[in-house]
Amino acid sequence: AQSVAQPEDQVNVAEGNPLTVKCTYSVSGNPYLFWYVQYPNRGLQFLLKYITGDNLVKGSYGFEAEFNKSQTSFHLKKPSALVSDSALYFCAVTKRDSSYKLIFGSGTRLLVRP
Amino acid sequence: NAGVTQTPKFRVLKTGQSMTLLCAQDMNHEYMYWYRQDPGMGLRLIHYSVGEGTTAKGEVPDGYNVSRLKKQNFLLGLESAAPSQTSVYFCASSPGLAGGLRNNEQFFGPGTRLTVL
Repeated sequence: AQSVAQPEDQVNVAEGNPLTVKCTYSVSGNPYLFWYVQYPNRGLQFLLKYITGDNLVKGSYGFEAEFNKSQTSFHLKKPSALVSDSALYFCAVTKRDSSYKLIFGSGTRLLVRP
Repeated sequence: NAGVTQTPKFRVLKTGQSMTLLCAQDMNHEYMYWYRQDPGMGLRLIHYSVGEGTTAKGEVPDGYNVSRLKKQNFLLGLESAAPSQTSVYFCASSPGLAGGLRNNEQFFGPGTRLTVL
């Protein structure tokens, strides 16, 4: 069965420091991987995706993610965190079938302190 | 463009009551999805549709029904609400096969917060 794990419920980082939000996945075949962000009382917003090609994917708001097939990981990173990055982050995976259904991780709350 | 909109934003029901949540999108997307979000569990897929007139079950379909009579609308119904259905419900849409997987990120609505007493 497909699954996505986000091992950290919360990540705390100081503004200006680099941040990493971890994600590992379990899916048969080659996955497509996504990161979404949710601000308070809002819907999810797409950040970035890995389909194929370069393992380092760049997305919105200065975020990037590194796909590591051997470790089945897709960690979200940003070189310098902003207080406005504080939000709930979800990793998701989809199988390569025509439904494009997403399987979400449980989410990681990122708190960036000034 | 309004994107994906959901009606209502909030609702409180008593056990056994019924209601319908409406999702509308103006992006001409083929695919639409209903999720529920519960603390510590991420989003779980309830039902989805790959085109007008089609629906399919997701991960947690029990207690819900859906209809996609028009391409731009996707309705989620609760026939007899239960406290376990207290949740935040999100609708999403995506281009579908026409967009290909490279262009199939999902666009989400703002959510409906439902409380069942």
